[in-house]
Amino acid sequence: GAGVSQSPSNKVTEKGKDVELRCDPISGHTALYWYRQSLGQGLEFLIYFQGNSAPDKSGLPSDRFSAERTGGSVSTLTIQRTQQEDSAVYLCASSLPGSYGYTFGSGTRLTVV
Amino acid sequence: AQSVAQPEDQVNVAEGNPLTVKCTYSVSGNPYLFWYVQYPNRGLQFLLKYITGDNLVKGSYGFEAEFNKSQTSFHLKKPSALVSDSALYFCAVRDIRYTGGFKTIFGAGTRLFVKA
Repeated sequence: GAGVSQSPSNKVTEKGKDVELRCDPISGHTALYWYRQSLGQGLEFLIYFQGNSAPDKSGLPSDRFSAERTGGSVSTLTIQRTQQEDSAVYLCASSLPGSYGYTFGSGTRLTVV
Repeated sequence: AQSVAQPEDQVNVAEGNPLTVKCTYSVSGNPYLFWYVQYPNRGLQFLLKYITGDNLVKGSYGFEAEFNKSQTSFHLKKPSALVSDSALYFCAVRDIRYTGGFKTIFGAGTRLFVKA
């Protein structure tokens, strides 16, 4: 597509429920990143996929968080048993191999009530 | 460890005046530095980058940034601010541990308010 697409744009969920956030990167972008932006905070790195290499999961805050990338394209970030502190905007970005700049999606605003 | 610091949570400037948004960095080796902007209700947009070469880097929307190695700074500047420049600005540095891609570490962000 023309840009990085994220869905849903907004998600309200009850505490304890599982949620799935989707990211569709720009075609041909082999690198895909998930970041989290909490209110008043900077961007917190969550996970990074590069081609067929093992993902870098070092930023995932707990084992309730997981992500996968199928076929080197679409990625899904899953949060199990959501907590109120999970409320944030989840941003996905992609880039070409060797490219220095990212293209970000518009994000998914997650609210856990 | 690679890191960036944005010492100002907020910068206020009058329209038409020059603006500066500060950023300092800490890296091992040569820094790869970036600025991104986030307009209200919109995603982050890439503004400019410094990889090598001239210390003054020009980017989108009339912005530029000056790389200063001795001061480990990469301040964002614009000669004449517009009200439409009001946004959240992020400085970022590439984590050099990654060679196959570019994991980027972002600063906390600086909110710029341009008053008419």
